[in-house]
Amino acid sequence: ETGVTQTPRHLVMGMTNKKSLKCEQHLGHNAMYWYKQSAKKPLELMFVYSLEERVENNSVPSRFSPECPNSSHLFLHLHTLQPEDSALYLCASSQDWEVSYGYTFGSGTRLTVV
Amino acid sequence: GQNIDQPTEMTATEGAIVQINCTYQTSGFNGLFWYQQHAGEAPTFLSYNVLDGLEEKGRFSSFLSRSKGYSYLLLKELQMKDSASYLCAVPDSNYQLIWGAGTKLIIKP
Repeated sequence: ETGVTQTPRHLVMGMTNKKSLKCEQHLGHNAMYWYKQSAKKPLELMFVYSLEERVENNSVPSRFSPECPNSSHLFLHLHTLQPEDSALYLCASSQDWEVSYGYTFGSGTRLTVV
Repeated sequence: GQNIDQPTEMTATEGAIVQINCTYQTSGFNGLFWYQQHAGEAPTFLSYNVLDGLEEKGRFSSFLSRSKGYSYLLLKELQMKDSASYLCAVPDSNYQLIWGAGTKLIIKP
């Protein structure tokens, strides 16, 4: 499969649950990103990884924990989330983290925290 | 600071032309991106402008004026499938994209 694949597509979790979002890319890209997209708000960059090392963390609460075991896979581990964390979580990749190459996005995980 | 503004929503008629504007304020400039996002789907790349002027790609064109901090996306011969959100983005000084909130385009028959 080509492109960027995210699983699951939809997730409902309670505030005490622990879950993980998965992202996989088969484009040979070196950089991967997690974004949060809330209704009528700009995309918010959460984490950037380049060659499996975190290069950017935009003051994201510790209840979100990223993991990048290799350049093709990216996870977002979730625990003790709040209802305001409900949003679409998008994964993206690019050839390099210097963004002028543009991004390829996954279809996202629609997260609802109850 | 850095800021991107674009209209929240626009409505147009099938077969017509629509122009979606984007204004930006950045400390430097490393190009401007337009992405299309259908509801529930991934944003997809439309265009990248780094020089002033108009770039045409079929029914879609993108214009940039660096001196005015202004860009627009021009969609011609609108089709129902063009109903989507259109996102404007510029890189910050760390090369990470700063995004506008998106313009939701509604196409009516």
